[in-house]
Amino acid sequence: DGGITQSPKYLFRKEGQNVTLSCEQNLNHDAMYWYRQDPGQGLRLIYYSQIVNDFQKGDIAEGYSVSREKKESFPLTVTSAQKNPTAFYLCASSIWGAREETQYFGPGTRLLVL
Amino acid sequence: KNQVEQSPQSLIILEGKNCTLQCNYTVSPFSNLRWYKQDTGRGPVSLTIMTFSENTKSNGRYTATLDADTKQSSLHITASQLSDSASYICVVGKMYSGGGADGLTFGKGTHLIIQP
Repeated sequence: DGGITQSPKYLFRKEGQNVTLSCEQNLNHDAMYWYRQDPGQGLRLIYYSQIVNDFQKGDIAEGYSVSREKKESFPLTVTSAQKNPTAFYLCASSIWGAREETQYFGPGTRLLVL
Repeated sequence: KNQVEQSPQSLIILEGKNCTLQCNYTVSPFSNLRWYKQDTGRGPVSLTIMTFSENTKSNGRYTATLDADTKQSSLHITASQLSDSASYICVVGKMYSGGGADGLTFGKGTHLIIQP
């Protein structure tokens, strides 16, 4: 899991509720990413950020929001607009661009809907 | 359409045996290919990363090969151990200017079980 931490390990969401997943890294990496993993599917990119105060939508950004106020932190909010939020969420970081560099993943947060 | 196909979907082998996992891709223009190991309920961990000019790379008992002409890669595991039980994910990077993550395509993974 390297120097990336995610919390909580398990998270329960009620109908209409927004929840925030935490991701912190102490690797001094510029770039950070959020992925969603569903059973039998490859990882899908939600959002990514290559620099503080800037972030880009990935393939499935609808119903999610992020912020990047500090280099070390990249929290993900799952809003009530995300109708199917149950999944395993993975945060990752890399020195710069993920296309040429190894990504380091956190341990993941499993989100379940009550 | 950029795709990464892995086979087999799942595999069961006895401890101590060798195995080979396959990855075929259609990503173009190609930048790099990496293999990750993901234990159940954990984040993926990088095993190897190869660029266009590399056709083999090893990491301990793991050896990855790349044929950029046929767009195929394999991951060979030698003398398997119980701790090798995991999903193995092939990821292909697309060449773009800039370094964003939107050029990565993930395979669905091969689920490997090592039996004692």
